[in-house]
Amino acid sequence: AAGVIQSPRHLIKEKRETATLKCYPIPRHDTVYWYQQGPGQDPQFLISFYEKMQSDKGSIPDRFSAQQFSDYHSELNMSSLELGDSALYFCASSLTTSGPYEQYFGPGTRLTVT
Amino acid sequence: AQSVTQLGSHVSVSEGALVLLRCNYSSSVPPYLFWYVQYPNQGLQLLLKYTSAATLVKGINGFEAEFKKSETSFHLTKPSAHMSDAAEYFCAASMEYGNKLVFGAGTILRVKS
Repeated sequence: AAGVIQSPRHLIKEKRETATLKCYPIPRHDTVYWYQQGPGQDPQFLISFYEKMQSDKGSIPDRFSAQQFSDYHSELNMSSLELGDSALYFCASSLTTSGPYEQYFGPGTRLTVT
Repeated sequence: AQSVTQLGSHVSVSEGALVLLRCNYSSSVPPYLFWYVQYPNQGLQLLLKYTSAATLVKGINGFEAEFKKSETSFHLTKPSAHMSDAAEYFCAASMEYGNKLVFGAGTILRVKS
């Protein structure tokens, strides 16, 4: 079965640089979520999109932005990177209109800021 | 605000012993509850979910969880631990489908041979 795809899997950037993370949800899923998991921490919700419209926003810094495109893939753009942005970034997708409703997670993108 | 508490950041059991991972939620309205497992350097895999259809939920790999409203708990159990169960387990909640997940801090399960 198709799963959530994230690219790249690993990314190394320097402080003040910009990073773009991509997420390809499971086909037909209508909702995409982004989570950030710091070292030794639980995942924290950043932002979600339902049918390409932002549906909820969590503790996402103003330096971050995200969008969902017409083909349903989503991108998380991170500017002016800081050391504290080093984390595992997960994308998840779900089908909220007719189920199954649970969120399926991708393998994550590990971002290291040096 | 909704929160999820996992008691015990580390749990160690012997192979073949009972696994019990604790999860409590704080909400005036019982949320949807989930258990996810994360192996090192991997994503989150759904073990099971509670959706109000049944209080005892069976999941993959022999895990099950029981929803107890009176105790606001959703503890995860497995009768007999296997070495391959060693991983980090997260309890998570959402108020409704389509909403963000709120995660507990996670419990690292160690299985001793």
